[in-house]
Amino acid sequence: DTVLTQSPALAVSPGERVTISCRASESVSTGMHWYQQKPGQQPKLLIYGASNLESGVPARFSGSGSGTDFTLTIDPVEADDTATYFCQQSWNDPYTFGAGTKLELK
Amino acid sequence: EVQLVESGGGLVKPGSSLKLSCVASGFTFSSYGMHWIRQAPKKGLEWIALIYYDSSNKYYADSVKGRFTISRDNSKNTLYLEMNSLRSEDTAMYYCAKEANYDGTYYYFDYWGQGVMVTVSS
Repeated sequence: DTVLTQSPALAVSPGERVTISCRASESVSTGMHWYQQKPGQQPKLLIYGASNLESGVPARFSGSGSGTDFTLTIDPVEADDTATYFCQQSWNDPYTFGAGTKLELK
Repeated sequence: EVQLVESGGGLVKPGSSLKLSCVASGFTFSSYGMHWIRQAPKKGLEWIALIYYDSSNKYYADSVKGRFTISRDNSKNTLYLEMNSLRSEDTAMYYCAKEANYDGTYYYFDYWGQGVMVTVSS
């Protein structure tokens, strides 16, 4: 299975720029997607196809990458962005998720 | 507005069975593939099953293959997950999710239900 590796946690101040990385154990082309999950809630789609912003998601969120290295960027970060962010690949079977990066605000 | 509402969870003993339901609204259910995804307590997400829009194909994660069955009733806009031979490691929040695709190639989950908890414990 394709393993997706994310850093476990980040702490940033409101107004700063944050990048959350996701590295795949093998190429996933641009079949990488990003979700935000707040405590007690279901995941919410942010980015699909590595760089496409889901409708209704603020333009502060952006995604980039291809192959094995991907990045989710939030610029600027707001207090409401406190959440865990998961990457997910759909290029190789089975679909797999990263373990999540918990974003905390200072 | 797209809504996915799961039900059927609960506390069961190891070896027992349970059937989850997910009622969909706000979109043409019969046109989309549907998935089940689970999340063990304080853990990450695990995809477990996919069913095509017309039930022609079904796929499972190795961890549930042979024990879980995904199905759907398009006349009732409802997705199901029948779970047999449950184990403690099946304890998780179970989400149903609607499939979307980009360029007809990349598949992702654009809507998720609120989830239903399944606890397997003696």
